[in-house]
Amino acid sequence: DGGITQSPKYLFRKEGQNVTLSCEQNLNHDAMYWYRQDPGQGLRLIYYSQIVNDFQKGDIAEGYSVSREKKESFPLTVTSAQKNPTAFYLCASSNSDGTDTQYFGPGTRLTVL
Amino acid sequence: AQSVTQLGSHVSVSEGALVLLRCNYSSSVPPYLFWYVQYPNQGLQLLLKYTTGATLVKGINGFEAEFKKSETSFHLTKPSAHMSDAAEYFCAAGGGANSKLTFGKGITLSVRP
Repeated sequence: DGGITQSPKYLFRKEGQNVTLSCEQNLNHDAMYWYRQDPGQGLRLIYYSQIVNDFQKGDIAEGYSVSREKKESFPLTVTSAQKNPTAFYLCASSNSDGTDTQYFGPGTRLTVL
Repeated sequence: AQSVTQLGSHVSVSEGALVLLRCNYSSSVPPYLFWYVQYPNQGLQLLLKYTTGATLVKGINGFEAEFKKSETSFHLTKPSAHMSDAAEYFCAAGGGANSKLTFGKGITLSVRP
């Protein structure tokens, strides 16, 4: 089945540690996105990539980094510079049909202790 | 820049009652409009979308939405609520630069027995 996978589902880290969240898609989509979700704040865009080896900052990129070395993969690193990293992180992808339709993975809940 | 407004944060209805979730958008370009549903600790699932053509759009689980350009609205309705409809609902707009989506803050739907 085609889809988007995110791993792990739950992640715990100590303050000051970098952590990388995985996002893989087998939908052959060109574009991929990372969002952060906090209660009552909706979804906020962290980074997005429209093509391999290229990515752009979203609205809240500070303290995060990404790479896009393969079409299928778009990992997100939460660095120690992110002041409040505890949140639910969602990855999405979209194809090039011109409708901007995004499809989401199941999410990773990161808790920094 | 696009913006999406979902008034209120919580709606409660009785099982069998009409569900109406409001969404208004602000856009300088013809929008693509979406409704997503999110169950606890899960990713977003696409309910329905409007891109072009018929302004009344039918989606999954008995939901539908009508694009009204004159009112810049895309309200979501379901004639008869079911307990399984309890979730968070997000309205989103696309069609702007870089194929990004702009999300509303979401609204939580509760269904009373």
